[in-house]
Amino acid sequence: QKEVEQNSGPLSVPEGAIASLNCTYSDRVSQSFFWYRQYSGKSPELIMSIYSNGDKEDGRFTAQLNKASQYVSLLIRDSQPSDSATYLCAVKRASKIIFGSGTRLSIRP
Amino acid sequence: GAGVSQSPSNKVTEKGKDVELRCDPISGHTALYWYRQRLGQGLEFLIYFQGNSAPDKSGLPSDRFSAERTGESVSTLTIQRTQQEDSAVYLCASSLYSGSGADTQYFGPGTRLTVL
Repeated sequence: QKEVEQNSGPLSVPEGAIASLNCTYSDRVSQSFFWYRQYSGKSPELIMSIYSNGDKEDGRFTAQLNKASQYVSLLIRDSQPSDSATYLCAVKRASKIIFGSGTRLSIRP
Repeated sequence: GAGVSQSPSNKVTEKGKDVELRCDPISGHTALYWYRQRLGQGLEFLIYFQGNSAPDKSGLPSDRFSAERTGESVSTLTIQRTQQEDSAVYLCASSLYSGSGADTQYFGPGTRLTVL
């Protein structure tokens, strides 16, 4: 079992709709959770971080964390073509930050 | 301010040669990470430096890989006797170390390594 699992996609969402990205992790002692966006040929950039159970909202983005289910998700409201990218879930455990393999999101006009 | 920089941006080498990749973190960032990203894959953790603590080398795939860091500044990742499977983008990231887990990583542009 991978430490951080994501559906590789591609996930195709119409422009203006809500995109929902999911991630599960295996280690219950994980402390912090991150969502990164990576455009093709570019480095990852941080979108959201979340540390406590519940929802955290930042503009069009909402991160959701459920530690009991070992599940973290990212919702993107009013999806735009510029949101088309690979979204990486990352989990911090002790000194390590472990990344999932990413979900490719495509926003269709 | 300046972000994380990496050099070279691209490196093409022959199988069996040694390569050295460099990372300059953001000034003041005590934590530094190296990752490998193969084409179409996620980020694979290699090594983590935090201040003067012993580095976490648990992600290094073989003894051909090593990394050094001078204090809280520059880091070099060395790959000896390169193999074709070493071809990947090598990413460096740095962060302030808060101790609370709330450490935002800032990534460099990466070094694309191609082993012929």
